[in-house]
Amino acid sequence: DIQMTQSPSSMSVSLGDRVTITCRASQDIGNYLSWYQQKPEKSPKLMIYGATNLEDGVPSRFSGSRSGSDYSLTINSLESEDTGIYFCLQHKQYPYTFGAGTKLELK
Amino acid sequence: EVQLQQSGAELGKPGTSVKLSCKVSGYNIRSTYMHWVNQRPGKGLEWIGRIDPANGNTIYAEKFKSKATLTADTSSNTAYMQLSQLKSDDTAIYFCVIDTYDVMDAWGQGASVTVSS
Repeated sequence: DIQMTQSPSSMSVSLGDRVTITCRASQDIGNYLSWYQQKPEKSPKLMIYGATNLEDGVPSRFSGSRSGSDYSLTINSLESEDTGIYFCLQHKQYPYTFGAGTKLELK
Repeated sequence: EVQLQQSGAELGKPGTSVKLSCKVSGYNIRSTYMHWVNQRPGKGLEWIGRIDPANGNTIYAEKFKSKATLTADTSSNTAYMQLSQLKSDDTAIYFCVIDTYDVMDAWGQGASVTVSS
């Protein structure tokens, strides 16, 4: 199975911060990488797909990038509504595998 | 608008089975895969498996091969997941998800399964 190592596990951030979350894939997954945001008691919401593509309706302060086997989600100028847990998902190969999640909280 | 409406919370005794449903509106499930994902209390997301409703073909994560059975009824645009031989470790929220453009983009609201005697 492909392991997705996500870091950090949590972040305490301030409004206006630039935030970067990273997932490292244990095998080649190409650009079959998505990012999700989950709020408490809610379903995950797709934010980024194909490693770098912004889902419709997602604010432009969110972006995705790739460097080799490292995939990053960046939030420029964090807003209060951006708190929650972020997960990456590889869907290159079955079984699909998620990163362990990054919890973003306000300081 | 694509919507996935899942069945309600389930309380099951150890050793029994439960069957969850996921009714899709706004999209023909014949044109997609239906995935199931779980989330144990306070934990991350875990992919269980997927079904191709057009032909019934299924793929499961290894640990769920004896636990979950995925089916679909294209006439009602509904997918199902049966969980068998319930254990306390099966207590979780279960989500159904479809990929309308090869990405898992549309999620159900989740169904809680609690296993307790």
